[in-house]
Amino acid sequence: GAVVSQHPSWVICKSGTSVKIECRSLDFQATTMFWYRQFPKQSLMLMATSNEGSKATYEQGVEKDKFLINHASLTLSTLTVTSAHPEDSSFYICSAKTPGQGAIFQFFGPGTRLTVL
Amino acid sequence: AQTVTQSQPEMSVQEAETVTLSCTYDTSESDYYLFWYKQPPSRQMILVIRQEAYKQQNATENRFSVNFQKAAKSFSLKISDSQLGDAAMYFCAYRSAPGTASKLTFGTGTRLQVTL
Repeated sequence: GAVVSQHPSWVICKSGTSVKIECRSLDFQATTMFWYRQFPKQSLMLMATSNEGSKATYEQGVEKDKFLINHASLTLSTLTVTSAHPEDSSFYICSAKTPGQGAIFQFFGPGTRLTVL
Repeated sequence: AQTVTQSQPEMSVQEAETVTLSCTYDTSESDYYLFWYKQPPSRQMILVIRQEAYKQQNATENRFSVNFQKAAKSFSLKISDSQLGDAAMYFCAYRSAPGTASKLTFGTGTRLQVTL
């Protein structure tokens, strides 16, 4: 159980276009999802926390107008990179947390590699 | 804000041997969780082991065990009988106690190589 999927697994786009990445919890309801960014040979950096039915909370330094997050249902959160540029090329990982304040685990998706030409 | 430090960018161990990966953290909280995650070349994050700060007993999961020193704010991972499949990036992570912000703070990672 506790499987999280991401789609697509990789995407190549032209500079200036927008790209949407989906994160789905397949066998549980996730009231909270997280979006991370990982550059090559670096750690995971939290971009934002997404709560179902409310606005996402962005970490300091993350442009909310550039990285649009929508968590419209208990099993789906989307990250849209708007007007993508080469510097947005990175590995994007989502994770999902089961409901309840007692839940401590995050279950990670397999990641999406974004390349902006 | 909490910080997590992994001072070993790379480590190497021979197959069947034991290796210890270091992690220190800084926090003013008394209740929290610590995790070790493994990221193999597939880049899928895999939970290796977790430790609740209120527990004095060190967590153990098969060949993986931790040495949790709360006063020293140290949380090292010991891998016994290392296997080729253990080769990966290992990240130490901190999480505040339930009821608070549930985000994870990761260290910079340690790349573990396993040699024959």
